[in-house]
Amino acid sequence: DTGVSQNPRHKITKRGQNVTFRCDPISEHNRLYWYRQTLGQGPEFLTYFQNEAQLEKSRLLSDRFSAERPKGSFSTLEIQRTEQGDSAMYLCASSSLLGQGASGANVLTFGAGSRLTVL
Amino acid sequence: RKEVEQDPGPFNVPEGATVAFNCTYSNSASQSFFWYRQDCRKEPKLLMSVYSSGNEDGRFTAQLNRASQYISLLIRDSKLSDSATYLCVVISGSARQLTFGSGTQLTVLP
Repeated sequence: DTGVSQNPRHKITKRGQNVTFRCDPISEHNRLYWYRQTLGQGPEFLTYFQNEAQLEKSRLLSDRFSAERPKGSFSTLEIQRTEQGDSAMYLCASSSLLGQGASGANVLTFGAGSRLTVL
Repeated sequence: RKEVEQDPGPFNVPEGATVAFNCTYSNSASQSFFWYRQDCRKEPKLLMSVYSSGNEDGRFTAQLNRASQYISLLIRDSKLSDSATYLCVVISGSARQLTFGSGTQLTVLP
């Protein structure tokens, strides 16, 4: 396992279309995160899974966004009826309960991201 | 006020210089702190955790000041390869999410 894998790496779509991104985390990691990043900004938290359970969702995640992790392994992030404001890099990250630093917190490994452009 | 704030820079420094970045956080109950590095068009990668007593990793030193609610990153003897955006990351309360600052851009010039 070479790390967190995301696809597609790039997606260009027209406004109003639906898009789906896939994330394959590091196999032994049970925590999976989705973040969104726009130019000049840091990543913004969208949602978090522990195994197959979606435990937290940001208020940034409108009704058009849905994320799943059906078997506790890979995850999908779907955006329905895309808008130009959805254009961003969508980053997936994973971590392990066992992979904690001295402070007892998560250390995330990020995928390379899926860049979405909505025309 | 943003939860995590950083000076966006850019910081342009010559090779060999020492440069320091600060990051302030608003939640006094924040528990854990990190610095991530992000190269242009790449994903963020963990640079170092920030411990209460301060910690050093080669040319990099991280410090935490809980009273003033800021963390710092000091880079000594800057290399061209240090050019990147440095992201401050904070974990607060019971949330398992990491909150990122907007990043500080560093360019090390030959």
